[in-house]
Amino acid sequence: DTEVTQTPKHLVMGMTNKKSLKCEQHMGHRAMYWYKQKAKKPPELMFVYSYEKLSINESVPSRFSPECPNSSLLNLHLHALQPEDSALYLCASSQEGSYTEAFFGQGTRLTVV
Amino acid sequence: RKEVEQDPGPFNVPEGATVAFNCTYSNSASQSFFWYRQDCRKEPKLLMSVYSSGNEDGRFTAQLNRASQYISLLIRDSKLSDSATYLCVVTLYGNKLVFGAGTILRVKS
Repeated sequence: DTEVTQTPKHLVMGMTNKKSLKCEQHMGHRAMYWYKQKAKKPPELMFVYSYEKLSINESVPSRFSPECPNSSLLNLHLHALQPEDSALYLCASSQEGSYTEAFFGQGTRLTVV
Repeated sequence: RKEVEQDPGPFNVPEGATVAFNCTYSNSASQSFFWYRQDCRKEPKLLMSVYSSGNEDGRFTAQLNRASQYISLLIRDSKLSDSATYLCVVTLYGNKLVFGAGTILRVKS
């Protein structure tokens, strides 16, 4: 069973809506990630937080806004999305450093209408 | 050139077969290497880490060749439950995990 919990599991939103995706882990990990995955494609990195600070932003459009309120929580705020933003959004966490594996949540399946 | 390249397959094999997947990476500064497994509409799950000395976990063997920038995964005695997409993952600087496109395995009875 995953120890990274994402809510909600499914989300349908209009292009003018504002919504947030939430992610929580209690493994003491200090690196947390957001990935986007389209059907039949691999996960694509969006953001990395290290010690609650944004360390990597893969040129993601500003309609996606990440937030890391504390070491256990990661949010992704969504505003004015487009239908092509419909995808599976995956949160992951790992120990800090480049030699440790990442653990993924079950994802939020987002549909933008 | 993509940072991580894999043969997308699909690999269609009978139960009991041995199957091998390959992966190459372009950045020689890559620091760590993993195989993940992803079932349809599920999250990726860590299968195993990959070391230069090679490592084995039951029916699964992974190998890293840093000189050739090549990673492999061998599955022996394939089971129906092994059917999934196998993702090669490489860590670059600063926790940047990069995924290959994935290799689809279908094990048939």
